[in-house]
Amino acid sequence: GQQLNQSPQSMFIQEGEDVSMNCTSSSIFNTWLWYKQDPGEGPVLLIALYKAGELTSNGRLTAQFGTTRKDSFLNISASIPSDVGIYFCAGPENTGNQFYFGTGTSLTVIP
Amino acid sequence: SAVISQKPSRDICQRGTSLTIQCQVDSQVTMMFWYRQQPGQSLTLIATANQGSEATYESGFVIDKFPISRPNLTFSTLTVSNMSPEDSSIYLCSVRMENTIYFGEGSWLTVV
Repeated sequence: GQQLNQSPQSMFIQEGEDVSMNCTSSSIFNTWLWYKQDPGEGPVLLIALYKAGELTSNGRLTAQFGTTRKDSFLNISASIPSDVGIYFCAGPENTGNQFYFGTGTSLTVIP
Repeated sequence: SAVISQKPSRDICQRGTSLTIQCQVDSQVTMMFWYRQQPGQSLTLIATANQGSEATYESGFVIDKFPISRPNLTFSTLTVSNMSPEDSSIYLCSVRMENTIYFGEGSWLTVV
């Protein structure tokens, strides 16, 4: 199956700092999705991207659809303790019927 | 978006038993999926639940171990059969709507 690699694997940051993470695929995608998962819960959709170069914001979160269509980036500005969790990227396989998920980035925010 | 409810949310199961997880969606959807997330891991697709026909399983997953029902466009079940400790995972129901995937809150199974 498709391999989606996320970087970094984990981050430990001070409250108030900005966060950047990225996701790369081995093939071209026409959709990128970013999710956050709290412990013991299902993933919650943060941002959906549908066009190369697209830059979309959701509050303090901003995600970009890379121009090569093989990568995407998620930034969080002025982090707060409730940003703690695991962030996953996802993209569709060829038929678009199902989605592959990245390896995840674990974020810890130190108050 | 969709509101997806899963039951049970958590359970502790005995080795060798089977458990059925239910997934209810608040609207009719064509595509429903079941994912597994083992501790500390990413999400792995088990199968696509097809309404009115057999589920389509991914490599490494078989119907005998993970039978799936999809009696209508708002409901599906996943059974984890003959459980072993390796089956301890979060099992997630999801639906596809408008080129986006939405998830239920998950069913956390611990097999002892």
